Amino acid sequence: NAGVMQNPRHLVRRRGQEARLRCSPMKGHSHVYWYRQLPEEGLKFMVYLQKENIIDESGMPKERFSAEFPKEGPSILRIQQVVRGDSAAYFCASSERQGGGNTEAFFGQGTRLTVV
Amino acid sequence: AQKVTQAQTEISVVEKEDVTLDCVYETRDTTYYLFWYKQPPSGELVFLIRRNSFDEQNEISGRYSWNFQKSTSSFNFTITASQVVDSAVYFCALSELGKTSYDKVIFGPGTSLSVIP
Repeated sequence: NAGVMQNPRHLVRRRGQEARLRCSPMKGHSHVYWYRQLPEEGLKFMVYLQKENIIDESGMPKERFSAEFPKEGPSILRIQQVVRGDSAAYFCASSERQGGGNTEAFFGQGTRLTVV
Repeated sequence: AQKVTQAQTEISVVEKEDVTLDCVYETRDTTYYLFWYKQPPSGELVFLIRRNSFDEQNEISGRYSWNFQKSTSSFNFTITASQVVDSAVYFCALSELGKTSYDKVIFGPGTSLSVIP
C-alpha cells in the first residue's frame, strides 16, 4: 500500500507562470489536507478537502491559489502567476475519515517549489 | 486559540549526549492530540508519535522518550545518547477535535538539532 504520493518532488517556475502540485492520497483515503512550509518556518495549514468538496480553505491566500479534489484522480493545488514569495515546500496529508488525529502518519514527501 | 511554542530555535550537542526538545502548547479544548515530527535534511516529514490529551503516560521508544505534562501544557521530547543521524528539524504539533472535528494540525516553528560527531 503506497503512502501519500506527491509529484513532482521539485518544481521550478518563472515568475508569472502557473504551478500545479499533485497529491494522490493513500488508497481508501477520501480526505486531503495541504500545508505550506516557507523557508525556515513550520508548516501552515492551507486547505482541507473531501472528494469534490472544499471543507476549509481558511489558510489559503485569497488570490492566485486554488485547490480541488475530484471524484477521480489526485488532489491538485494550483498557483497562478507565481511570485518569488510562493517558493516553499508544499505538503499533502490524507486520512480515511474525518477527525481523530488520523493524518499524523500520512504526509507525503512534499513538493519543493522554486520561483525564479 | 491554538498555539504551539518551541522556544529552542537551534540546539547543538556532541554525539552520545542526551538532549531534550521543549514544546509548550495552548488550547481551550479538553480533547486534542499532540504530535512530534522529524524533518531530516532530505526534507520529508517523519511521524514520530501521537498522544491524545487523556493519556498522560510517558512513552519510551528506543532512544526516544516523551514527557507529557498536562498541568504545564508541555510535551517534551528527549533523545538519549544522540547520534549524528538525529540531526534534523523537529516539529511539535497540536490537533484540536472540538471545534472542527477534523485534523487541522497546528505546527510549532521547529527546533533544529545538530549532533556533532
